[in-house]
Amino acid sequence: EVKLVESGGGLVQPGRSLKLSCAASGFNFNDYWMGWVRQAPGKGLEWIGEINKDSSTINYTPSLKDKFTISRDNAQNTLYLQMSKLGSEDTAIYYCARALSKGNYFDYWGQGVMVTVSS
Amino acid sequence: IMLTQSPATLSVTPGESISLSCRASQSISTNLHWYQQKPNESPRVLIKYASQSISGIPSRFSGSGSGTDFTLNINRVEPEDFSVYYCQQSNSWPYTFGAGTKLELK
Repeated sequence: EVKLVESGGGLVQPGRSLKLSCAASGFNFNDYWMGWVRQAPGKGLEWIGEINKDSSTINYTPSLKDKFTISRDNAQNTLYLQMSKLGSEDTAIYYCARALSKGNYFDYWGQGVMVTVSS
Repeated sequence: IMLTQSPATLSVTPGESISLSCRASQSISTNLHWYQQKPNESPRVLIKYASQSISGIPSRFSGSGSGTDFTLNINRVEPEDFSVYYCQQSNSWPYTFGAGTKLELK
């Protein structure tokens, strides 16, 4: 069974950093692109970015490129999202998701982790 | 690439057949996917590459379109279909989602 489990969320003060993790199981992690999507409370989905199988290609939505960093550890079957200079606009549920290849859809999603930026 | 979904909200009764629209700001071939999101759940893919079915998704869901205009059809809406529907393009980075269409009970 494919499972994606996000962790590392919570309450963080404005201007601080936070690192999210996504633990993958039930499939060969090395064979898939992985991505992050977020959803602010009551709002729609926002594509954050994605990373290819060997981390040689990483793409971001332009507005987040200087704040967020996506990485992965294939030995640990884990995807990461490093977030810096957080503001209230970054309050959202953060989902990790799997894609078979470049240009592919997300076929499995994690349950999401809530990040709240507030003083 | 911007994706414009319409309508924002659609009120229907179970048994009706409906169409949801997604329009791209430039041609994306058939690199367009549809997702359903129920309250407090993660999204799930319904249709890939504009019109290709997904294993395990009921056959009442179908998609069509290419280029800039796409449609998600639901043949005879069931009670469990009331949720939000998003389109997403994977033609060029950054991949983007539409704002969603909320399907609600009339």
